[in-house]
Amino acid sequence: EIVLTQSPGTLSLSPGERATLSCRASQSISSIYVAWFQQKPGQAPRLLIYGASSRATGIPDRFSGSGSGTDFTLTISRLEPEDFAVYYCQQYGSSPLFTFGPGTKVDMK
Amino acid sequence: EVQLVQSAAEVKKPGESLKISCKGSGYKFSNYWIGWVRQMPGKGLEWMGIIYPANSDSRYSPSFQDQVTISADKSISTAYLQWSSLKASDTGMYYCARGGGDKRTIVLDYWGQGTLVAVSS
Repeated sequence: EIVLTQSPGTLSLSPGERATLSCRASQSISSIYVAWFQQKPGQAPRLLIYGASSRATGIPDRFSGSGSGTDFTLTISRLEPEDFAVYYCQQYGSSPLFTFGPGTKVDMK
Repeated sequence: EVQLVQSAAEVKKPGESLKISCKGSGYKFSNYWIGWVRQMPGKGLEWMGIIYPANSDSRYSPSFQDQVTISADKSISTAYLQWSSLKASDTGMYYCARGGGDKRTIVLDYWGQGTLVAVSS
């Protein structure tokens, strides 16, 4: 079973700053199987990035994804007030079919 | 516009059965997977299972196999998640999500609003 680890657990930043979120897999996975989601309080998760680096429909270009092998990164170039949320990475393909990371909370400093 | 609309919140007692629903619209329902994801209070996301409505092919997470049943009725574009005997530990928010993507992968691209299930004596 592939285990995803996200760091840091919480990231305290100010609007306008750059956020870099890390997701590490316990074994190498193909980048086409990696996605990132954003979840705000009281809302359903929203797909941000799929295939490690492709933005989902309607996602602003300040969100970008990168990585390969076991290390993947979500970058928010300049934080907007609406970006303060919890972010989950997810892998598809190994049993179980989907695995989510524990999440990184981006909160306002 | 792709939409997944889930059934309303439920309050149940331990041992009771429950079936919650997820109705898709704005796309060809039978041709996309529908997955279910649990979120316990204050916790992260857990994938439970997934179904392909065209042929009812279903896959389960080992953690949820034999605990829940996933089904779908393509004639009414609706997927279901059911329990035969609820436990207090089943309390949580349950999301359905459409599985898009291509032949190589499934991407959970659109999500329902969630159904809150509360189980308490």
